[in-house]
Amino acid sequence: ETGVTQTPRHLVMGMTNKKSLKCEQHLGHNAMYWYKQSAKKPLELMFVYNFKEQTENNSVPSRFSPECPNSSHLFLHLHTLQPEDSALYLCASSQGDGNQPQHFGDGTRLSIL
Amino acid sequence: GENVEQHPSTLSVQEGDSAVIKCTYSDSASNYFPWYKQELGKRPQLIIDIRSNVGEKKDQRIAVTLNKTAKHFSLHITETQPEDSAVYFCAADVGSARQLTFGSGTQLTVLP
Repeated sequence: ETGVTQTPRHLVMGMTNKKSLKCEQHLGHNAMYWYKQSAKKPLELMFVYNFKEQTENNSVPSRFSPECPNSSHLFLHLHTLQPEDSALYLCASSQGDGNQPQHFGDGTRLSIL
Repeated sequence: GENVEQHPSTLSVQEGDSAVIKCTYSDSASNYFPWYKQELGKRPQLIIDIRSNVGEKKDQRIAVTLNKTAKHFSLHITETQPEDSAVYFCAADVGSARQLTFGSGTQLTVLP
């Protein structure tokens, strides 16, 4: 299934670097999400976009900056990250809001040195 | 805030036996309860979901039951197979924005 594609799959960066994660969905959905998945913790919702408009920001530090230029693309811009930000970052999309099935990408495994 | 509790965190069963994973939620307005399976190194995949207007849903070896009064729902896997080994997550739509909140996951191991 290639409905939701994330790049890169792996990323190693220093704390002073700037990088971006990309997500693209080919399912015609109108909502897109960023989640953080750390070991032994629940999936944490970070941001929600619905029809390109940000509808949710779960108290995420400003070193994470989302961008949604259209309903098919979602970016997560990273700047001055901390070691505790090392995790798997998952993108998902759905038709409608949170009470509809979400389809996930394969994620980006991020390691902060 | 609203949360979803999931138990157990790990579960080992013999091949052919049944496995049951339970979740509780706190938001009485929750209406949508999906279950995801995540194999090692792969994406979470929706395996079954249920809405509050039904009490049970079944798809081959997988079933989900919902008790709205008690605010808990369960995943049942019968005749388990080694390929069922994975982490399973429950979720519920919570809060004013009705966004999904996930449980902490259950590592299921099916022993051959």
